[in-house]
Amino acid sequence: NAGVTQTPKFRILKIGQSMTLQCTQDMNHNYMYWYRQDPGMGLKLIYYSVGAGITDKGEVPNGYNVSRSTTEDFPLRLELAAPSQTSVYFCASSYQPKGDSPLHFGNGTRLTVT
Amino acid sequence: QKEVEQNSGPLSVPEGAIASLNCTYSDRGSQSFFWYRQYSGKSPELIMSIYSNGDKEDGRFTAQLNKASQYVSLLIRDSQPSDSATYLCAVARTGKLTFGQGTILTVHP
Repeated sequence: NAGVTQTPKFRILKIGQSMTLQCTQDMNHNYMYWYRQDPGMGLKLIYYSVGAGITDKGEVPNGYNVSRSTTEDFPLRLELAAPSQTSVYFCASSYQPKGDSPLHFGNGTRLTVT
Repeated sequence: QKEVEQNSGPLSVPEGAIASLNCTYSDRGSQSFFWYRQYSGKSPELIMSIYSNGDKEDGRFTAQLNKASQYVSLLIRDSQPSDSATYLCAVARTGKLTFGQGTILTVHP
C-alpha cells in the first residue's frame, strides 16, 4: 500500500537549473496538492488539482508549473531555480478535503538551490 | 491579511496541563477545518476535523469552531511530552486547502 510517493527525497540544484518533482498516488484520489515548507514555517500552497486535467494556483505559484494528465500523477516543475526556492516540498492527496477524508502526505522532497 | 493565521507561539506547557491553540481565517465561505500535527522532519498528520459550529471531542483533543467569529481552536488536555510538535491549522473551501504558519508546542515534564 504505497499511498503518496514523492521522488526524489533530496536534491541540490544550481541557480538557473530546472527540475521536476514527481508525485504519484495509488488511492484514486481526486484532489492533489503541492506545498512548500520553509524552516520553522507552515505549509504554503503552490498549486492544487481537483481532478485530471484541472489545476489551479495556490498562494505561491510563481516559478512553478504543474500538470495533471492522469488521476495518479501530479508533477511539479521548477524552471530557472532560485535560492528562494530552497525548501521542503510536500505532495498530498485526498478523496475530498472535507468530511473525514484527511490529506495523505508524501514524505517530502528537500530541495537546496545554491 | 493572511488567509489562515495561528497564534505565533512557541507555546510551552507543563505535563498534565491544558494546551490551547488558536486559529483565525479570513474566508467566510470556508467549509471545513482541520488540525494537523507535525513532528520535526516528518510529514503532517491529521488529528482533528470539524465542520459545524461547536465542539468536537476525540480523546484528549477538543476542536472548537465559531464561524461567526471565523475562529477555530484546539485544546489538548492532560498534555504529554509526546504532544510536543508543531500544530497546523488548515481551512478548506471547494478543494483549496490552506494552512496556517503553525504553532510550536513544547510539553515539559
